[in-house]
Amino acid sequence: GENVEQHPSTLSVQEGDSAVIKCTYSDSASNYFPWYKQELGKGPQLIIDIRSNVGEKKDQRIAVTLNKTAKHFSLHITETQPEDSAVYFCAASGGTYKYIFGTGTRLKVLA
Amino acid sequence: GAGVSQSPSNKVTEKGKDVELRCDPISGHTALYWYRQSLGQGLEFLIYFQGNSAPDKSGLPSDRFSAERTGGSVSTLTIQRTQQEDSAVYLCASSGTGGVEAFFGQGTRLTVV
Repeated sequence: GENVEQHPSTLSVQEGDSAVIKCTYSDSASNYFPWYKQELGKGPQLIIDIRSNVGEKKDQRIAVTLNKTAKHFSLHITETQPEDSAVYFCAASGGTYKYIFGTGTRLKVLA
Repeated sequence: GAGVSQSPSNKVTEKGKDVELRCDPISGHTALYWYRQSLGQGLEFLIYFQGNSAPDKSGLPSDRFSAERTGGSVSTLTIQRTQQEDSAVYLCASSGTGGVEAFFGQGTRLTVV
């Protein structure tokens, strides 16, 4: 069935360093890839997304890359700040519009 | 409303009781999703509604779980004869036509004691 694998499950970085989270999807029909940030006690918040006709998208300190051939997509956060600490989820959505989520990455930015 | 609204925010129930969780999607959004998030875990798909189409119920874990969406807007997730393993945060999301950009509510934290 449809599956999204996400790595790493936890990630600790020093403030100011970069963080990279990687996801792999199985459904070749997937064409939309959002990333969500979830802070403690809150619902996931959409932070950036990419569609299959684009290889890279950037929004200030956040960027997402997509390799359709390898079915990989990644989230890059540069110049990390303590407020970036949260759980990040990737997801893939295709023809059925059902979002399949990765298992999440707990990011800790150390001051 | 401005965002997806879920109620109640917290629910404690006794094992064996039925519970109803409510979701008010963003106005005009045709798609509505329910997900379950167990403590420290990822998001488990439960059910998906899109307009007037038959819902995708493939994620419902047992026949104790059901959901309906009235008038293409508000949705109710019902869990009958609750079990302790049903304890989790239940998240609702909605998106516009075409299934792009899903926005989540704050969730309902369900505790079965």
